[in-house]
Amino acid sequence: AQSVTQPDIHITVSEGASLELRCNYSYGATPYLFWYVQSPGQGLQLLLKYFSGDTLVQGIKGFEAEFKRSQSSFNLRKPSVHWSDAAEYFCAVGARVDMRFGAGTRLTVKP
Amino acid sequence: EAEVAQSPRYKITEKSQAVAFWCDPISGHATLYWYRQILGQGPELLVQFQDESVVDDSQLPKDRFSAERLKGVDSTLKIQPAELGDSAMYLCASSPWTSGTYEQYFGPGTRLTVT
Repeated sequence: AQSVTQPDIHITVSEGASLELRCNYSYGATPYLFWYVQSPGQGLQLLLKYFSGDTLVQGIKGFEAEFKRSQSSFNLRKPSVHWSDAAEYFCAVGARVDMRFGAGTRLTVKP
Repeated sequence: EAEVAQSPRYKITEKSQAVAFWCDPISGHATLYWYRQILGQGPELLVQFQDESVVDDSQLPKDRFSAERLKGVDSTLKIQPAELGDSAMYLCASSPWTSGTYEQYFGPGTRLTVT
């Protein structure tokens, strides 16, 4: 069965510092992978997705993620964090059916 | 920009009462999802529709939850009777069938509080 693990429940970074959020997955075939962001009390917004091809994918708001098949990982990165990036981030894996979300990582940005 | 609409945004109900949520997906999106998100957790899929047909409802508590998408457009999720443990955010999402990419577009959610 597919599953998603986000090892970090909460991460705090200083504004301007780099960011990496971890995501590990278990999936029976080549997965479709996603990162979503959720602001408090809001729905989820798609940041980026990976299906095939180049393993480094670019998303909105300056985010990127790298698919590493050997490590079953799809980590999200941003070179310089802005205060507005403070939110909850969810990694998801799936396909036409059975989309699974991780428990999320809450990002706090210090001034 | 097209968005997924949900109503109401907030609902407070007493346990044992019935409650219903409505979702209008992005026009042309054949796939519609209902998720439940408990505070501090990721979304959990309750039901997935392809047009008017249920594709996956394996995690839907069918003794109290029901969902329909009669004309393959908008959808209603109902809980009867509501229990204290149903307090959560209920999210609706839609996805275009033909894209083959399975990315989902989420609505703002309905925050349910059962007292």
